[in-house]
Amino acid sequence: DGGITQSPKYLFRKEGQNVTLSCEQNLNHDAMYWYRQDPGQGLRLIYYSQIVNDFQKGDIAEGYSVSREKKESFPLTVTSAQKNPTAFYLCASSINPNNEQFFGPGTRLTVL
Amino acid sequence: KQEVTQIPAALSVPEGENLVLNCSFTDSAIYNLQWFRQDPGKGLTSLLLIQSSQREQTSGRLNASLDKSSGRSTLYIAASQPGDSATYLCAVTGGGNKLTFGTGTQLKVEL
Repeated sequence: DGGITQSPKYLFRKEGQNVTLSCEQNLNHDAMYWYRQDPGQGLRLIYYSQIVNDFQKGDIAEGYSVSREKKESFPLTVTSAQKNPTAFYLCASSINPNNEQFFGPGTRLTVL
Repeated sequence: KQEVTQIPAALSVPEGENLVLNCSFTDSAIYNLQWFRQDPGKGLTSLLLIQSSQREQTSGRLNASLDKSSGRSTLYIAASQPGDSATYLCAVTGGGNKLTFGTGTQLKVEL
C-alpha cells in the first residue's frame, strides 16, 4: 500500500521544547517537501529536498530544521526558535521536482 | 514573486448545479498548475495536474483549464454532489521548482 505517512497526527509542545515531526514515503520519490498551513493563509513552503543528503530552505525556514539521510524519510524539527509554531504541518513528495506532488495526512502542532 | 489568487473564497450551491472555481497567478513562467481538494483537518488530495504546454485536463466530473498567457485557470465541476463539499486549492510550480498555493475556495453543496 503506497503512500505518505506522517506521525503523530496531533502533537503538543511546551514552550522552549524542540519537537520532531515524522514523514515517510514508500513511493520511491526523489523530492520531498514540508509545508505549514495557517487559517486563512495558503500553504507555505518550509523546506524541500530534491535528493538524499540535500535540502533547501523554503519561504519560512527560520526556526525549523530538516534532514534527508534516507530517500524514504524527511523529518522536520520545530525548534524553540520558532516563535509561533502552532499550525497544521503537511509533508509531500513527488517523483522529481516539477511533477505532481502527493500529500500526507498532516500533523497538527499546538504549543501549550 | 508569484502570487496565486482564488475567487470566490467561499461558495454555496444546491446539489446538481454545475460550477466553476477560479484561480489566477501573477507570473506566467510556470511549469505546471495543480488543483487539490482538502477536507477539514485532512491532507491534500491531488485532483488534476496541467502541464504548462497543455490547455486542459479532465477527470470524471472535473475539468481544469489553463490559460498561461493570461495567468488563469478554472476548475469546472459538473453535477455537483454533497460529497464535493471541501476546500479546493490551486497551486503553480514556478522558478526554483517550488509550489505556490492560493488560499482556496471553500465549497458547500447543499441537498
